[in-house]
Amino acid sequence: KQEVTQIPAALSVPEGENLVLNCSFTDSAIYNLQWFRQDPGKGLTSLLLIQSSQREQTSGRLNASLDKSSGRSTLYIAASQPGDSATYLCAVRPNNQGGKLIFGQGTELSVKP
Amino acid sequence: DVKVTQSSRYLVKRTGEKVFLECVQDMDHENMFWYRQDPGLGLRLIYFSYDVKMKEKGDIPEGYSVSREKKERFSLILESASTNQTSMYLCASLQGGRDTQYFGPGTRLTVL
Repeated sequence: KQEVTQIPAALSVPEGENLVLNCSFTDSAIYNLQWFRQDPGKGLTSLLLIQSSQREQTSGRLNASLDKSSGRSTLYIAASQPGDSATYLCAVRPNNQGGKLIFGQGTELSVKP
Repeated sequence: DVKVTQSSRYLVKRTGEKVFLECVQDMDHENMFWYRQDPGLGLRLIYFSYDVKMKEKGDIPEGYSVSREKKERFSLILESASTNQTSMYLCASLQGGRDTQYFGPGTRLTVL
């Protein structure tokens, strides 16, 4: 059974720092992996999607990598800002399961001015 | 832009009531999903649908049912609400293929 783990559960950094969020998954038979952002009490916003054949994706200050063989993904945030404060969720889409996502528990990020 | 809307942001119901949560997407997506989100447990899939009138159980379907009579609308039904169904409910849609899932704003349901 696929399990997704995110470390750390919470992270507090000063503004301007570069940071890395980690995600690991137990079954490498994935279709893709997504990183989402969730603000308190709100829905999820997709940040980056990496197909199983890709190694990384970039959007602005965000870079996500995927190493399927080792079951790991990282989300790199450059030059963090207070507006980046949110919970970041990693989700894998298993092969042949109708598009369902399996989520990690998330990393709660706080960027201090 | 894809838009996924949910009928209520906040809902308070009493134990035993029948509860309907509605989700509508405006991009003609084939696949729609209902998740619930709880502290310490994360997001878990309740049901999903890959076509009109088609549905599949997710990981935690007990106590729930769904309805998809039209492609754009996917309803989650709590037949007899219980306090352990107090949660944040999130709807999502997906075109299929390589696309991302798009989420609605969520409905925070409290069952008293």
